[in-house]
Amino acid sequence: GAVVSQHPSWVICKSGTSVKIECRSLDFQATTMFWYRQFPKQSLMLMATSNEGSKATYEQGVEKDKFLINHASLTLSTLTVTSAHPEDSSFYICSAPGTRTTITGELFFGEGSRLTVL
Amino acid sequence: AQSVTQLDSQVPVFEEAPVELRCNYSSSVSVYLFWYVQYPNQGLQLLLKYLSGSTLVKGINGFEAEFNKSQTSVHLRKPSVHISDTAEYFCAVSGGGNEKLTFGTGTRLTIIP
Repeated sequence: GAVVSQHPSWVICKSGTSVKIECRSLDFQATTMFWYRQFPKQSLMLMATSNEGSKATYEQGVEKDKFLINHASLTLSTLTVTSAHPEDSSFYICSAPGTRTTITGELFFGEGSRLTVL
Repeated sequence: AQSVTQLDSQVPVFEEAPVELRCNYSSSVSVYLFWYVQYPNQGLQLLLKYLSGSTLVKGINGFEAEFNKSQTSVHLRKPSVHISDTAEYFCAVSGGGNEKLTFGTGTRLTIIP
């Protein structure tokens, strides 16, 4: 099946700094990727849809200036948490629809990136 | 709009006992249904999916689910659980295509030795 990989899997940063998380589709091309945020013991909340070569589409309530998304190639999307604060600490997960499954809505998920802001 | 309700937030089960994790959904259109599993500190893995056809769907790791259109449910079952099944299980629904998945709040399955 399609493989999606995230890096880093763990990151700790100081308040006020920016952190970049990468999401790669390893064996397929992804024109669309989805970024989710998961709080402890809660479900995944969709933050934004990343579109290759165009601007990301953000869900209501998500600050686009704080969570910068770049989808510069068909295999890479990045999420940058700018001026991170402790309340941004969370588990961030990316996903992409496999090229043969776009009609089904099935997604392939990365391993997730745990961000801790001190 | 779609919504997903997982009726149990936590389910403790003795090892080798059967388990059922419940999921109800609502949607104004035809949907595709998914069960994902999340092991600690990992991303989600697809357990099974219902797209069309037979309402009994078999997935990986011995799990299966039965889609009930009249009750708008897709409960996940396993006849005999193992310690390694301890994880968070998410039910999700999609309208298909590149439409986003709507997730339930998850059910934490704990296997008791």
